[in-house]
Amino acid sequence: NAGVTQTPKFQVLKTGQSMTLQCAQDMNHEYMSWYRQDPGMGLRLIHYSVGAGITDQGEVPNGYNVSRSTTEDFPLRLLSAAPSQTSVYFCASSWSTTDTQYFGPGTRLTVL
Amino acid sequence: KQEVTQIPAALSVPEGENLVLNCSFTDSAIYNLQWFRQDPGKGLTSLLLIQSSQREQTSGRLNASLDKSSGRSTLYIAASQPGDSATYLCAVYNNDMRFGAGTRLTVKP
Repeated sequence: NAGVTQTPKFQVLKTGQSMTLQCAQDMNHEYMSWYRQDPGMGLRLIHYSVGAGITDQGEVPNGYNVSRSTTEDFPLRLLSAAPSQTSVYFCASSWSTTDTQYFGPGTRLTVL
Repeated sequence: KQEVTQIPAALSVPEGENLVLNCSFTDSAIYNLQWFRQDPGKGLTSLLLIQSSQREQTSGRLNASLDKSSGRSTLYIAASQPGDSATYLCAVYNNDMRFGAGTRLTVKP
């Protein structure tokens, strides 16, 4: 049971480049979410999904897109990277919105 | 808008001491509150989950309490050990999950 996996672990982008952060879970969880963590600010919710085919915006969705075609995968897309998107990104999953959340190890993204 | 505050931002204690970490939130209409541990460069690990109908949860040396009416939760760590050194975050859920900025705990041998 791998839990929640994220790839890549580290990434450096130039301003304007696009990329996809991958997240997968093998616990058959319905709820998945993406957060970013910035120094001194805690985690902020970017997007979330309550099941395959259903996504919604969180607190800071601008500049990010998501899709949920399967229960297992929830990729996060940056269409045109900006320096303000330099952060550590965490994916999480749980049975429902009110259950214990399980976090992946994170992706450290730097945008130059 | 829900605001979550954790005080203190950092705490250093000698090994063996009992300690309390504080979490406060502005909107009491929450479904649950979770306490997480984060080690440097790692993801978050859930420690305790308290549903809105509960007053406290215990796991080993950890005890978390919840007072919805006053918008407060505390995480009590008994007989602290150097291995407890980490950042502790609380998060509340109503329409979405909101996190505090965390308390960085150092337990000195």
